[in-house]
Amino acid sequence: GDSVTQMEGPVTLSEEAFLTINCTYTATGYPSLFWYVQYPGEGLQLLLKATKADDKGSNKGFEATYRKETTSFHLEKGSVQVSDSAVYFCALRGGANSKLTFGKGITLSVRP
Amino acid sequence: DGGITQSPKYLFRKEGQNVTLSCEQNLNHDAMYWYRQDPGQGLRLIYYSQIVNDFQKGDIAEGYSVSREKKESFPLTVTSAQKNPTAFYLCASSNTGEGANVLTFGAGSRLTVL
Repeated sequence: GDSVTQMEGPVTLSEEAFLTINCTYTATGYPSLFWYVQYPGEGLQLLLKATKADDKGSNKGFEATYRKETTSFHLEKGSVQVSDSAVYFCALRGGANSKLTFGKGITLSVRP
Repeated sequence: DGGITQSPKYLFRKEGQNVTLSCEQNLNHDAMYWYRQDPGQGLRLIYYSQIVNDFQKGDIAEGYSVSREKKESFPLTVTSAQKNPTAFYLCASSNTGEGANVLTFGAGSRLTVL
């Protein structure tokens, strides 16, 4: 079945540091890929998405590129802020009638 | 503003008691979902519904029940059969088809069994 593997956390960075959060997936066919973010005390919200190979999703300074050859969708940001402290979930959807499958999430803490 | 409202935000329950978590949406979404979130385990799907009066089990449905009598409402009952109910519960909704790519989540309900 479909699955998503995220790097182990938590991750602690200083403000303005470069961020990479790894995500790899296993799926049949050509899934759509997503990053969701959960700020403290809130539900999840969509951060960015990519629906086909080589697409780049971007939002709020975050980027992720759909790499079919390495089955990856790593999240990057060039300069993190304290306000980026949150839990980040990678997710995939295998097809129009399938459900979203989430990774385990990773907690990011950004120090001033 | 459209959105999803979950209540209560915090709930305490004694062992052996059933408890119902409310989820209401005014987004006119056809599909609704319940997830459980535990530290280190991410989100696990409990139940989902794509249309009124119909719902399907997710990956961890045992010990839970739902109903979908109205499009706007999808309450979750945590029964006494659920062995480890202490968790953070998230309700979500979406359109169906390609629209199901984007879920809108509520703020969650934290259940603690004493």
